[in-house]
Amino acid sequence: NAGVTQTPKFQVLKTGQSMTLQCAQDMNHNSMYWYRQDPGMGLRLIYYSASEGTTDKGEVPNGYNVSRLNKREFSLRLESAAPSQTSVYFCASREGQGSTDTQYFGPGTRLTVL
Amino acid sequence: GQSLEQPSEVTAVEGAIVQINCTYQTSGFYGLSWYQQHDGGAPTFLSYNALDGLEETGRFSSFLSRSDSYGYLLLQELQMKDSASYFCALGAGGFKTIFGAGTRLFVKA
Repeated sequence: NAGVTQTPKFQVLKTGQSMTLQCAQDMNHNSMYWYRQDPGMGLRLIYYSASEGTTDKGEVPNGYNVSRLNKREFSLRLESAAPSQTSVYFCASREGQGSTDTQYFGPGTRLTVL
Repeated sequence: GQSLEQPSEVTAVEGAIVQINCTYQTSGFYGLSWYQQHDGGAPTFLSYNALDGLEETGRFSSFLSRSDSYGYLLLQELQMKDSASYFCALGAGGFKTIFGAGTRLFVKA
């Protein structure tokens, strides 16, 4: 039982390049989330998926797209990376449908955009 | 909208008790959670309050007063390994959770 896994762990991009961050969970959770965390700040919600087949915008969705491929996998895509997207990206999953149920986080992807 | 406020840093001595406060603003309340994050690590869940009062989990306790829009995390018998960032998080309804900016706790020997 690996919990929530993310790939890659580190990535450096040039401005304008695209990439997809991968996330998978093996806990059979319904909802999944993508957050970004900038230095000295809390987590900000980018997109979430309440269940397989649905996705919704969070607080800071601009410049990102997501795909809920199946119940296990939820990917985040940067179509044209910008330096402002330099951040640590965390994927999370949650079993229940309440906004206060425990979230389980992956180890994060550290992204630098030059 | 929703917002949370917590101190940016707190310093305490090993073996002591420390309290990390969190005040919030929200139109609809769905509970207050606390998460711990060590440097370079992922956030991990600590505690949750849906109703007023104290919730205890080992050395960690969390308190909520909905009338004051206020909560706190209490850490007892501080250990060096408790040096980390602590985030309060507000259930924002639906599937969303809003996180505070975090409080960095330094535990000194």
